[in-house]
Amino acid sequence: ETGVTQTPRHLVMGMTNKKSLKCEQHLKHNAMYWYKQSAKKPLELMFVYNFKEQTENNSVPSRFSPECPNSSHLFLHLHTLQPEDSALYLCASSHGELSGNTIYFGEGSWLTVV
Amino acid sequence: EDQVTQSPEALRLQEGESSSLNCSYTVSGLRGLFWYRQDPGKGPEFLFTLYSAGEEKEKERLKATLTKKESFLHITAPKPEDSATYLCAVQVDGGATNKLIFGTGTLLAVQP
Repeated sequence: ETGVTQTPRHLVMGMTNKKSLKCEQHLKHNAMYWYKQSAKKPLELMFVYNFKEQTENNSVPSRFSPECPNSSHLFLHLHTLQPEDSALYLCASSHGELSGNTIYFGEGSWLTVV
Repeated sequence: EDQVTQSPEALRLQEGESSSLNCSYTVSGLRGLFWYRQDPGKGPEFLFTLYSAGEEKEKERLKATLTKKESFLHITAPKPEDSATYLCAVQVDGGATNKLIFGTGTLLAVQP
């Protein structure tokens, strides 16, 4: 059982579609993250939110749009994606943004762009 | 450039056959080194954090150690349920953001 819940677990979307990934953490953390995991590549940090404020955007294309309405919820809005965006998208949370705090991951959302 | 390299890429063991996974790193300043376990189709599960050279941590059949250049994850008498991908990640000094730099992982298969 994980303290970070992601929905949907699997998503197939066309390149012209608009969809959203949702993440909720039950750990009373105040920092949340989006990571991308592609085959044969290391996990890549996409966005960091601390107390609902975005503190990191790791040069992510604008077709990925994050939203953090409160410290427990994080969304990733997707539009006009490309096939190369197909990957496992992982949400994570930690007590704070400062280094040294362990990051806990959700189960991930498998995204396939067709 | 900060970098993390894991070896081997894949490892196949017989049940009970002990071995070690390696994580070597080149960073400007190490804040912490993390080990995660990832099962197929799931998110990474936190195992250990190591902060300074010489530090060791254990959990069941797993033991993690840290030197100034690398970390080892020792697996003693593994069982089939230990089969997974093991990920190593480092946090680097100098930034406020809790960034993790990941390696590509070691895929471990333990056969009965």
